[in-house]
Amino acid sequence: AQSVTQLDSHVSVSEGTPVLLRCNYSSSYSPSLFWYVQHPNKGLQLLLKYTSAATLVKGINGFEAEFKKSETSFHLTKPSAHMSDAAEYFCVVSDSGGGADGLTFGKGTHLIIQP
Amino acid sequence: GAGVSQSPSNKVTEKGKDVELRCDPISGHTALYWYRQRLGQGLEFLIYFQGNSAPDKSGLPSDRFSAERTGESVSTLTIQRTQQEDSAVYLCASSLDSLAGLSGELFFGEGSRLTVL
Repeated sequence: AQSVTQLDSHVSVSEGTPVLLRCNYSSSYSPSLFWYVQHPNKGLQLLLKYTSAATLVKGINGFEAEFKKSETSFHLTKPSAHMSDAAEYFCVVSDSGGGADGLTFGKGTHLIIQP
Repeated sequence: GAGVSQSPSNKVTEKGKDVELRCDPISGHTALYWYRQRLGQGLEFLIYFQGNSAPDKSGLPSDRFSAERTGESVSTLTIQRTQQEDSAVYLCASSLDSLAGLSGELFFGEGSRLTVL
């Protein structure tokens, strides 16, 4: 069985300051991990993914995430927030034992950017 | 089309009515997924189609829910005798194939927001 926990339902930061969105996972297999972003009234878009290669993964729009097996974490970071980053972010885990429903989505973190 | 297209974007219906939601995947994508997104919740898997194989219906919450897909094209999600608890955004996604899907390479539509009064 696999699960994913996004530790914050809402995160608010000022424009130009760092962003940290936290995600912890559990998986019975070697997991793949993803972050998706959903802007208002838009579909989800893949931001970045980890699939057992480099533990530090770079994504679009300056975001990156680090896979830490010892901490079962895959936190999403960005050095400097931009107003356009305001959106809902979903952490997703997929393990090799999964079938069609092998993707498990977190409940999402709403990122608010203060001017 | 260039992306996954869903219709209607918004649907308001009365309790007990049937609704149909449509998804037009990216051309050439053999895998198609339906998810439900309730307010403040993560995505809940509903059903998955892969090519001409029998669909994986393991996520459908009740027998009021059904879905069809013709070949590798359009899919329709039908909810019969809608209940207020069915109110949610229904998201469709497609991927090149099932492996791409498990690799996270899903392309999502903008969703159909269903409100049951």
